[in-house]
Amino acid sequence: NAGVTQTPKFQVLKTGQSMTLQCAQDMNHEYMSWYRQDPGMGLRLIHYSVGAGITDQGEVPNGYNVSRSTTEDFPLRLLSAAPSQTSVYFCASSGQGLVKNIQYFGAGTRLSVL
Amino acid sequence: AQSVTQPDIHITVSEGASLELRCNYSYGATPYLFWYVQSPGQGLQLLLKYFSGDTLVQGIKGFEAEFKRSQSSFNLRKPSVHWSDAAEYFCAVGRAGNMLTFGGGTRLMVKP
Repeated sequence: NAGVTQTPKFQVLKTGQSMTLQCAQDMNHEYMSWYRQDPGMGLRLIHYSVGAGITDQGEVPNGYNVSRSTTEDFPLRLLSAAPSQTSVYFCASSGQGLVKNIQYFGAGTRLSVL
Repeated sequence: AQSVTQPDIHITVSEGASLELRCNYSYGATPYLFWYVQSPGQGLQLLLKYFSGDTLVQGIKGFEAEFKRSQSSFNLRKPSVHWSDAAEYFCAVGRAGNMLTFGGGTRLMVKP
């Protein structure tokens, strides 16, 4: 059981480039989220999804786009990368009912934008 | 809006000593509370959670936390720290859906 898988693990971009961070989960979880982690700021929610075809914005959505066409996958797109988007990105998933707040995290993608 | 404060950015303890990491939250209703641990270069692992009921909750790796509504706190404790506990610890609060709000984290260093 792989859990939450994120690819790539590391990425370097130039300002203005676009890319997609991949996230897949094999636990049949309805809820999926993207967070960014910056020093001293903990994790901040970028976008989340409560099921296939449904997404919503979190605390810091600007510059990011998401879609959820399947239960398993929740890709995060950077439309035009900026140095301020240099961060570590974590994808998380959670199930339904009382346990929906127990989130399982991927290993992260470390992104540098030059 | 909900918020979480972890007042201690860094804490250093000696191996075998007791540990308490502080967490204060702001939330309009009874919150769901969590502690996660992150080892270097790794994702976050859930240590323990509080949803309701007994205010003292037990987690993995010998950790426990106590929910104190009057103090809006959810402090993490361990009676005897091991060198392998060196990591960063995050407190989080959530209620609806999967909208978790995290504190800034506390980095724990363990002296031999």
